[in-house]
Amino acid sequence: GENVEQHPSTLSVQEGDSAVIKCTYSDSASNYFPWYKQELGKRPQLIIDIRSNVGEKKDQRIAVTLNKTAKHFSLHITETQPEDSAVYFCAASQLNDMRFGAGTRLTVKP
Amino acid sequence: DGGITQSPKYLFRKEGQNVTLSCEQNLNHDAMYWYRQDPGQGLRLIYYSQIVNDFQKGDIAEGYSVSREKKESFPLTVTSAQKNPTAFYLCASSIRPRVVFADQPQHFGDGTRLSIL
Repeated sequence: GENVEQHPSTLSVQEGDSAVIKCTYSDSASNYFPWYKQELGKRPQLIIDIRSNVGEKKDQRIAVTLNKTAKHFSLHITETQPEDSAVYFCAASQLNDMRFGAGTRLTVKP
Repeated sequence: DGGITQSPKYLFRKEGQNVTLSCEQNLNHDAMYWYRQDPGQGLRLIYYSQIVNDFQKGDIAEGYSVSREKKESFPLTVTSAQKNPTAFYLCASSIRPRVVFADQPQHFGDGTRLSIL
């Protein structure tokens, strides 16, 4: 089955700096890669996603890149703000069989 | 998402007791999922169902059981065979892709926190 690894497990940045979270996946059949943000005690919420026929996708301060050959994808957050502090999860999916990474706790220091 | 309701928010289990966590959705989604979340381990899949009256085991199904008698409902029972049930349980739903490359995001409920008494 699919195995998703996520790094780093914790990340601390200064407000205004960029943050990058990386994930690798094992199953080359995976074709859908969502990213979720989970604030303390709340449900995970989708922030951005990318499909395997696209190499990069951007939404304001958030971008995701995908390298199918290397089987890795990354989340980039620019101009970080304190409200970006949360746990971020990557996932890889094919035909609704979705597996999640272990999560990255991002702390943005004001 | 207001379309997925999990209850109760907090649940306590006595030793040897089975408990059932409720998950209801009004999003008209075919697929539903149960995840267990422990600190530092992300979301681990317990069971999933792509259609009514059908479900499959996920990665950590031992000690759990589910049913899918209605499209809207996917209850999870934590049995006494699950020796370490303390965790945060999340239910999710999604549209079921009919073709490859059509996966859709999962939408989550607010979760149930289960503890042992």
